[in-house]
Amino acid sequence: NAGVMQNPRHLVRRRGQEARLRCSPMKGHSHVYWYRQLPEEGLKFMVYLQKENIIDESGMPKERFSAEFPKEGPSILRIQQVVRGDSAAYFCASSPLISQPQHFGDGTRLSIL
Amino acid sequence: KQEVTQIPAALSVPEGENLVLNCSFTDSAIYNLQWFRQDPGKGLTSLLLIQSSQREQTSGRLNASLDKSSGRSTLYIAASQPGDSATYLCAVGKFLGTSGSRLTFGEGTQLTVNP
Repeated sequence: NAGVMQNPRHLVRRRGQEARLRCSPMKGHSHVYWYRQLPEEGLKFMVYLQKENIIDESGMPKERFSAEFPKEGPSILRIQQVVRGDSAAYFCASSPLISQPQHFGDGTRLSIL
Repeated sequence: KQEVTQIPAALSVPEGENLVLNCSFTDSAIYNLQWFRQDPGKGLTSLLLIQSSQREQTSGRLNASLDKSSGRSTLYIAASQPGDSATYLCAVGKFLGTSGSRLTFGEGTQLTVNP
């Protein structure tokens, strides 16, 4: 049973470009979470999704950031018009039920030039 | 707003020593608490999950306890080994409804076990 798969592992973008981060949850997991780890800071919750629904996006910046988890395919975290402050490690986690632990992927390290 | 604090921030011990990592949280209305380890450049590996109704969980050389009323959890590692060297993260889960929970993380304890 493959774990949570994130790609790419590393992504380099220039200021103003768009970044797309992908996450495939573990098989059978219908809950997907995105967290961000800024340099020298702890992980911070961004958004919680179930298939085709955003349940809680209270941790996501109001502008330039969006997330989706379509009926088919991976969850996508999209950052438009990236700025230097978006440089961070972005982690995706999934779980089958609230009573089960969240399992994390290896993250996407985003660098903005 | 939930705040999670981990003490100490860093710990260096000789191999074989038993050790305790501490985690405290400000809001006792939690759903569960999860301990993770994070290796450099890697993701998080789930170690133990304690539901709010539970007092402790054990897995191998690891034992985690939870005292919800005082807002504390400890992770006990017995007979530490160099392979235990990593950053240990405590995360408190809040129920979001529709069967999801949001984790609030501490900043971690960086553990080094010296051979």
